[in-house]
Amino acid sequence: GDSVTQMEGPVTLSEEAFLTINCTYTATGYPSLFWYVQYPGEGLQLLLKATKADDKGSNKGFEATYRKETTSFHLEKGSVQVSDSAVYFCALSDLGGGSEKLVFGKGTKLTVNP
Amino acid sequence: KAGVTQTPRYLIKTRGQQVTLSCSPISGHRSVSWYQQTPGQGLQFLFEYFSETQRNKGNFPGRFSGRQFSNSRSEMNVSTLELGDSALYLCASSFFSGGGYNEQFFGPGTRLTVL
Repeated sequence: GDSVTQMEGPVTLSEEAFLTINCTYTATGYPSLFWYVQYPGEGLQLLLKATKADDKGSNKGFEATYRKETTSFHLEKGSVQVSDSAVYFCALSDLGGGSEKLVFGKGTKLTVNP
Repeated sequence: KAGVTQTPRYLIKTRGQQVTLSCSPISGHRSVSWYQQTPGQGLQFLFEYFSETQRNKGNFPGRFSGRQFSNSRSEMNVSTLELGDSALYLCASSFFSGGGYNEQFFGPGTRLTVL
């Protein structure tokens, strides 16, 4: 079945450092790809998405490009802030069976120190 | 517009008991999905309901069940609780339009602890 693999971390950075969190996927068909973020004690929030190859999703300074040739969707941010500390999940949509189901990676915990 | 709400937020149960969790989707959303989040297994899909019908089910034992009401509110039930059922249970709703992926909006989750 479909699957998502992401670097599990934890990742610790200093404020204003560059962030990359790697994500690769295995899927039949052409899934949409997502990054979700989870702050402590909260549910998931959609950070960005891309629905087809070569699409670039972006939000709040974060970016990720849907690379079909490498089956990747790496998350990047040029300058992280303390407020970016959270757990980040890469996910794909699986529309099999006529329903909407998200398949998630294991999550990467990011801590940004001042 | 109010977001997805889940009740209760926290639950403590003992092995062998059963539990019912509730989810109210965003107004107008007709699709409700449930996910289990644990440190070991991460986020796993439980099931999805649309118009009171289960459309998809994850790889969980029959002790896990759910339903959806005519107002799109959903409940999930876990019977004969086991220690391994301790998890954060997340509900997500979407406005399913039938044309490709529709964004899922997540609630804050119900933290279930089984003793």
